[in-house]
Amino acid sequence: DTGVSQDPRHKITKRGQNVTFRCDPISEHNRLYWYRQTLGQGPEFLTYFQNEAQLKKSRLLSDRFSAERPKGSFSTLEIQRTEQGDSAMYLCASSPPGGVEQYFGPGTRLTVT
Amino acid sequence: EDKVVQSPLSLVVHEGDTVTLNCSYEVTNFRSLLWYKQEKKAPTFLFMLTSSGIEKKSGRLSSILDKKELFSILNITATQTGDSAVYLCAVPTGTASKLTFGTGTRLQVTL
Repeated sequence: DTGVSQDPRHKITKRGQNVTFRCDPISEHNRLYWYRQTLGQGPEFLTYFQNEAQLKKSRLLSDRFSAERPKGSFSTLEIQRTEQGDSAMYLCASSPPGGVEQYFGPGTRLTVT
Repeated sequence: EDKVVQSPLSLVVHEGDTVTLNCSYEVTNFRSLLWYKQEKKAPTFLFMLTSSGIEKKSGRLSSILDKKELFSILNITATQTGDSAVYLCAVPTGTASKLTFGTGTRLQVTL
């Protein structure tokens, strides 16, 4: 297994457009997390899945953001009507059953122009 | 509100120096503390600490936790240019064990 993968690695979009990112966690990891990281800051939690159930969402996650994890495998994060303030690195991480450590993917860098 | 604070914010050292990075925390229901190294992309897991006073080591990196004083340190001995990165400290919080991160310490190792 090669670790957590994310696609695309970079996305440039115009304000108002919708974007969707994909995350493939490490196989057999039942927990999946999305974080957002801006320059000079640590990652900030967005949302969390245990298997296919979305169990927690941050207050940072406005109604323009939606995440899914159908069948408890890969996950998608969609941002509708993007704004310049959405420009950030979007990181996905997964964690094994009973484990606390999280393993991160390479991230998707979003630039909204 | 759960809080993780790292210091210094940035550090420039010469190759071969030893550095100490600090992380203090205020969280409810503390269970563990994690250190990550972030180069140009995703954070890479280094250590997880759960018990006070037990040092974790991996090569030139070592870390220790003090649960009474609510802090951890990460030591890097004989630094190399490849150690240049942002070092992040994080604490799992809440029922989801989401990670609350500090802002990181940016380490630059020069020749």
